Amino acid sequence: NFMLTQPHSVSEFPGKTVTISCTGSGGSIADRYVHWYQQRPGSAPTILLYEDNQRPSGVPDRFSGFVDNSFNSASLTISGLQTEDEADYYCQYFDTNNHWVFGGGTKLTVL
Amino acid sequence: QVHLVESGGGVVQPGRSLTVSCAASEFTFSSYAMHWVRQAPGKGLEWVAVIWFDGSKRDYADAVKGRFTISRDNSKNLLYLQMNGLRVEDTAIYYCARSRRGRYGDYFFDHWGQGTLVTVSS
Repeated sequence: NFMLTQPHSVSEFPGKTVTISCTGSGGSIADRYVHWYQQRPGSAPTILLYEDNQRPSGVPDRFSGFVDNSFNSASLTISGLQTEDEADYYCQYFDTNNHWVFGGGTKLTVL
Repeated sequence: QVHLVESGGGVVQPGRSLTVSCAASEFTFSSYAMHWVRQAPGKGLEWVAVIWFDGSKRDYADAVKGRFTISRDNSKNLLYLQMNGLRVEDTAIYYCARSRRGRYGDYFFDHWGQGTLVTVSS
């Protein structure tokens, strides 16, 4: 079964740039697209990026996504960090068994 | 503004059953596949089940297959999750979520409800 692995936590100072990785195993991450969700404390998740790097309306361009096939991984980059970016971030993939797979989530702390 | 509101959560004993619901509004419910996604306390997201827009196809995560049943009533804009044989490890917030196809044809969850908490405990 396809699995996605994320770092448990990352932290950075306001105004800086942080990158969260999402590494696939049990298959090629290039076969489908990766989606990213943001979940602020006490709230439901919201879509942040879809199909690797597409931003829904309302999501600022400080958020960007990239897939590196050579490392079988995707990444979410947040530039110009703001305190409101402090949240949990999840990557997600639709695997060949027609199941929706989430990474374990990464807690971002803005120092 | 898409609106999804879950209800029906509560405390239930292991082995018992519970049905949670999701009321949808402000979009054409019958045109979208709908899902249940759960989150155990302090843990990550776990996809549970999907039902196609017309109810013709359903699929489940291995952890709930054979115990949970997803259904929908397109005339009432309602989504359901019937949970039988509940286990302590089923304790979670249950979110309903809508999926749609993106620009390149892949499916993602574009709207989520606020969730309903199901606690399985004796």
